[in-house]
Amino acid sequence: DAGITQSPRYKITETGRQVTLMCHQTWSHSYMFWYRQDLGHGLRLIYYSAAADITDKGEVPDGYVVSRSKTENFPLTLESATRSQTSVYFCASSAQNTGELFFGEGSRLTVL
Amino acid sequence: LAKTTQPISMDSYEGQEVNITCSHNNIATNDYITWYQQFPSQGPRFIIQGYKTKVTNEVASLFIPADRKSSTLSLPRVSLSDTAVYYCLVGRRSNDYKLSFGAGTTVTVRA
Repeated sequence: DAGITQSPRYKITETGRQVTLMCHQTWSHSYMFWYRQDLGHGLRLIYYSAAADITDKGEVPDGYVVSRSKTENFPLTLESATRSQTSVYFCASSAQNTGELFFGEGSRLTVL
Repeated sequence: LAKTTQPISMDSYEGQEVNITCSHNNIATNDYITWYQQFPSQGPRFIIQGYKTKVTNEVASLFIPADRKSSTLSLPRVSLSDTAVYYCLVGRRSNDYKLSFGAGTTVTVRA
């Protein structure tokens, strides 16, 4: 089905491990985003990408790495997970010049 | 980016109209106002977007006064399923996607 999908939906890992959250969209949207959502903070932008091979930092980028070799994929990597990175992560995409973001279902990450 | 301020929470009853006002005093000329809805355990969903005056769709209406320093999302005749968090965002539609959602307004609809 068309849309935006995230995997895994749930992940438990340990401090210091590397974790990659995947995001795939089938609309060929130019823009893709990663947000994290924590209680009391709403959604905060981690990284975004305007096109393949173009990425930029958002509000809270420290501890995260992104890449975008293909338009449809935008993986988010935590190179050495910390407990403070326990959160729900949302990926989103947007066509150019619309201002409308389409979100995935989220990936709940727990770092022990 | 324009900072937005909206109430933390609102309570309502089924069948009533809910109006959520968002303040954005430093909105720029090219900024649009966009509202999203988020249910528990789901990603936010686009509701409505506007630039000035009034915009209406099948879900909601958005009222924007002439000075554009605030906007009001109106949900007509709410039902229990409208219980959600509602976010107001202000920004350009192009070239500036560093949008953070803030805490939003938690709307609770009671029977």
